[in-house]
Amino acid sequence: DTEVTQTPKHLVMGMTNKKSLKCEQHMGHRAMYWYKQKAKKPPELMFVYSYEKLSINESVPSRFSPECPNSSLLNLHLHALQPEDSALYLCASSQSIDVYEQYFGPGTRLTVT
Amino acid sequence: AQSVAQPEDQVNVAEGNPLTVKCTYSVSGNPYLFWYVQYPNRGLQFLLKYITGDNLVKGSYGFEAEFNKSQTSFHLKKPSALVSDSALYFCAVRDSHGSGNTGKLIFGQGTTLQVKP
Repeated sequence: DTEVTQTPKHLVMGMTNKKSLKCEQHMGHRAMYWYKQKAKKPPELMFVYSYEKLSINESVPSRFSPECPNSSLLNLHLHALQPEDSALYLCASSQSIDVYEQYFGPGTRLTVT
Repeated sequence: AQSVAQPEDQVNVAEGNPLTVKCTYSVSGNPYLFWYVQYPNRGLQFLLKYITGDNLVKGSYGFEAEFNKSQTSFHLKKPSALVSDSALYFCAVRDSHGSGNTGKLIFGQGTTLQVKP
């Protein structure tokens, strides 16, 4: 099973709201990633977790707050977002941060109004 | 700095014809290369990777890629295109520094493949 699941599929939120995106994998992978993707553009890396510890933060604004409660779960907490944050948010996982392929979830389509 | 280039924004091919989606890379050290496909409103799907070994790599859905070190290229190929292959294709290289792997993928800008019946 090479499935990464993400919930919700769609999310509309106002600029004052607080919401969370959830990602789950049961492949025993020890690296998990958050990406942001605009239409027809490549994904942009936001965060990397390795063995449940944050290993990369690509200078992401503090209104995005990642959390890795256990090796199977990855959350992205959202607060006070801007309209330009509207995008497809993709979660991915890989066996480790070494040279293994990453498996992507279907994404959450976020619209900030 | 490591980079990946996909020189074509779009590739058009007739169903049944062979297809090639081009990718060139620039890395320091050994290149670890990947191809992903993205269908509309979906996440990326892994197609194949080159780490070491044979220059011709076979992947999912009949795709293959040829690693060419002298030309620093990793072109994606398929002998006979299907309409269902129409999608956005990304080439990527694993970012690595002297201190070790970061887990970061550097993506090309993507190439839209249109296969017409």
